[in-house]
Amino acid sequence: EIALTQSPATLSLSPGERATLSCRASQSVSRNLAWYQQKPGQAPRLLIYDASNRATGIPARFSGSGSGTDFTLTISSLEPEDFAVYYCQQCDSWPLTFGGGTKVEIK
Amino acid sequence: EVQLVESGGGLVQPGGSLRLSCAASGFTFSNYAMSWVRQAPGKGLEWVSAISGSGGSTYYADSVEGRFTISRDNSKSTLFLQMNSLRAEDTAVYHCAKVVGSYIFDDWGQGTLVTVSS
Repeated sequence: EIALTQSPATLSLSPGERATLSCRASQSVSRNLAWYQQKPGQAPRLLIYDASNRATGIPARFSGSGSGTDFTLTISSLEPEDFAVYYCQQCDSWPLTFGGGTKVEIK
Repeated sequence: EVQLVESGGGLVQPGGSLRLSCAASGFTFSNYAMSWVRQAPGKGLEWVSAISGSGGSTYYADSVEGRFTISRDNSKSTLFLQMNSLRAEDTAVYHCAKVVGSYIFDDWGQGTLVTVSS
């Protein structure tokens, strides 16, 4: 099973700041990695797939990068609606796995 | 617009069974693999099971293998999860999700809560 480790667990930032979230895989997943955003009481929303492709309707301030074992989700300038929990997920091999999440909170 | 509506959750005793359903609309159901993902209270996401569009291939997390069975009725655009031998650690909100590409989830239901407790 491929383990995904997300860091930091919590990121305290102000609106307008840049957020950099990390996801590290225990073995290579090539570019088979997705990112999701989840707000309290809501279902997750797909942000990024194949490591760097934005899903439909996702603003350009969200970007993904990386390959192999190290991946990054960057939010270039935080909007108030971006404060949420973010999860990475690998789809390279079974079983599918998620990271533990990074909470982006208002400083 | 894609809609996924789960039902069938509730309170069940340890060792009991429950069958979850997910009614899909807004897309050609049989063309897409589907999946169940759960989230224990206050915890992260955990993938549970997936099924191909035809239903011919199924996949399970180790934690539910042999206890849970995923199935689908393409004529009714409905996904199912039969859960047997339930344990306290199965307590979670269960989301169904539409699969695209290499098994990523582009649409999600709001989920149904399963509570396993005596």
